[in-house]
Amino acid sequence: GQQLNQSPQSMFIQEGEDVSMNCTSSSIFNTWLWYKQDPGEGPVLLIALYKAGELTSNGRLTAQFGITRKDSFLNISASIPSDVGIYFCAGPQPFTGTASKLTFGTGTRLQVTL
Amino acid sequence: GAVVSQHPSRVICKSGTSVKIECRSLDFQATTMFWYRQFPKQSLMLMATSNEGSKATYEQGVEKDKFLINHASLTLSTLTVTSAHPEDSSFYICSATEWTGREPQHFGDGTRLSIL
Repeated sequence: GQQLNQSPQSMFIQEGEDVSMNCTSSSIFNTWLWYKQDPGEGPVLLIALYKAGELTSNGRLTAQFGITRKDSFLNISASIPSDVGIYFCAGPQPFTGTASKLTFGTGTRLQVTL
Repeated sequence: GAVVSQHPSRVICKSGTSVKIECRSLDFQATTMFWYRQFPKQSLMLMATSNEGSKATYEQGVEKDKFLINHASLTLSTLTVTSAHPEDSSFYICSATEWTGREPQHFGDGTRLSIL
């Protein structure tokens, strides 16, 4: 089946630093989604990407849909303490919309120190 | 934005008990809802797809008689963990989508199930 591997698994950064994380797949995705999960809560959608090469921003977050359609990147600029959490990439099964089964990545746990 | 409500947020019960978890879409109609399970420090794993008015479809390895799903209306899906045992302890999360072709899934806040 499809697997989404995220890197790094976890990271400790200082407040104000920029953060980069990525997600790679063994198969092609037509949509990439980035979610953030706070402890004890459900994931919240951050950014949705629909086209290869697309670069989309949401405040301090920027995500890119890789041109090979097998990877995606998420960047957070000027991190703040509330950025702490687990970031998941996710993608629907190929050739379907986002309203279908999602495969979630392994997650990147972000911790921000003051 | 779209809101998905999950209830209860936490359940602690004895082994052998059946537990029902509700997932509601509060401001939209959801023809499809999904149920996920998440073990500590792991990712979300899809358990089943809940379709309004029809039987749920389960992922490989998920026992349909153990995890009963009912999607009787466009705003409510329920997951019943039957005769729960300690190994069923986990974080259960639902999601719902209003099918418009590209609408992303919106997630509930999850239910922490602890079986003693």
